[in-house]
Amino acid sequence: AIRMTQSPSSFSASIGDRVTITCRASQRISTYLAWYQQKPGRAPKLLIYAASTLQSGVPSRFSGSGSGTEFTLSISHLQSEDFATYYCQQYYSYPPLTFGGGTKVEIK
Amino acid sequence: EVQLLESGGGLVQPGGSLRLSCAASGFTFSNYAIAWVRQAPGKGLEWVSAICGSGRCTYYADSVKGRFTISRDNSKNSVYVELDRLRVEDTATYYCAKGGGDLPSLFDYWGQGTPVIVSS
Repeated sequence: AIRMTQSPSSFSASIGDRVTITCRASQRISTYLAWYQQKPGRAPKLLIYAASTLQSGVPSRFSGSGSGTEFTLSISHLQSEDFATYYCQQYYSYPPLTFGGGTKVEIK
Repeated sequence: EVQLLESGGGLVQPGGSLRLSCAASGFTFSNYAIAWVRQAPGKGLEWVSAICGSGRCTYYADSVKGRFTISRDNSKNSVYVELDRLRVEDTATYYCAKGGGDLPSLFDYWGQGTPVIVSS
């Protein structure tokens, strides 16, 4: 199984900050990577797929990059509604489809 | 508008069974894979199972293989998962999620989840 490792697991940031979350795959997955946002008590929401393609309706302050084994999710100008937990997921090889452990973004 | 609605969760004793349902609308159901993803309390997301659009291919996580069975009825726009020989560690919110195509991949729409509690 491909293991997905996110870092950091949590951090604090201020509104207006630019933040970056890293996701590493245990083997090369090309750009078969998605990012999700989850708020407490809610279902996850797809933000980015194919490593860098923004899902329809997602604000342009979200961006993704990377290929192979290392990927990043960036949020420019952090907004109050962006405080949430973010997950990466590989869909290069299955079963199993695998998620990273999550990164919780909290208000400083 | 794409909608997914799970039902069937509840409290069950270890060793017991449940059947979860996912009713879908707003898209051509038979063209898309559907997956079940679970989240234990306070934990991350874990993919559980998936079924391709035709229903001819099914996939399972090792942790549930042989205990869970996924199926779909394209005439009813519904996917089901039978949870058998449940364990305490199966306690989680179970989400159904629409795949990006006929085969399992990314998940572009999610239901609101249904809770499964396995406890004596």
